[in-house]
Amino acid sequence: QITLKESGPTLVKPTQTLTLTCTFSGFSLSTSGVAVGWIRQPPGKALQWLALIYWDDDKRYRPSLKSRLTITKDTSKNQVVLTMTNMDPVDTATYYCAHKKGYSFDYWGQGILVTVSS
Amino acid sequence: QSALTQPPSASGSPGQSVTISCTGTSSDVGGYNYVSWYQQHPGKAPKLMIYEVSKRPSGVPDRFSGSKSGNTASLTVSGLQAGDEADYYCSSYAGSNSWVVFGGGTKLTVL
Repeated sequence: QITLKESGPTLVKPTQTLTLTCTFSGFSLSTSGVAVGWIRQPPGKALQWLALIYWDDDKRYRPSLKSRLTITKDTSKNQVVLTMTNMDPVDTATYYCAHKKGYSFDYWGQGILVTVSS
Repeated sequence: QSALTQPPSASGSPGQSVTISCTGTSSDVGGYNYVSWYQQHPGKAPKLMIYEVSKRPSGVPDRFSGSKSGNTASLTVSGLQAGDEADYYCSSYAGSNSWVVFGGGTKLTVL
């Protein structure tokens, strides 16, 4: 059974760096072909793919946010970490991590609402 | 502004069928057979309903079907049920740089 859960701060100030952790079970990020992604959803708005990390440490980033995003993995802890620098109120959103299946995501975490406000 | 265009709303009566469209370009929907559809109930995480245009994950009822023609993909929900009322999002692979793009979402109302 695959499960994922996001953790991190729910309130950050503008210009601060956000660090979110995705802790998962039911699969290994050291297995060939496996990947975990991050997707966010501003309140009342659409989903936005942010980043993806593969089992071989290959990484993909949303082009418009590439300079602000870093995705890493800790295979021994079954965790994926997303950092986003220079947070702005427009980055207020629910952030999800998810297990990749082909070019889709078949298992999602419950999400964490991050509010950016001073 | 989302990369893929969906109608903001769709509706149908119980038992009827409804089709939701998702229009992209030759760089995404039209260029690959990697269109997915997600169902999202209020306050919940998205659920994968269709992948690779028309494949259903285990456990998804066959009332949900997907198709594609050119740059437009479609999700059809037949035999509408009250529990189908939700937001639906399409996504498509868009190349190794952009990876995946999403649509703006469609709110499906069961009348």
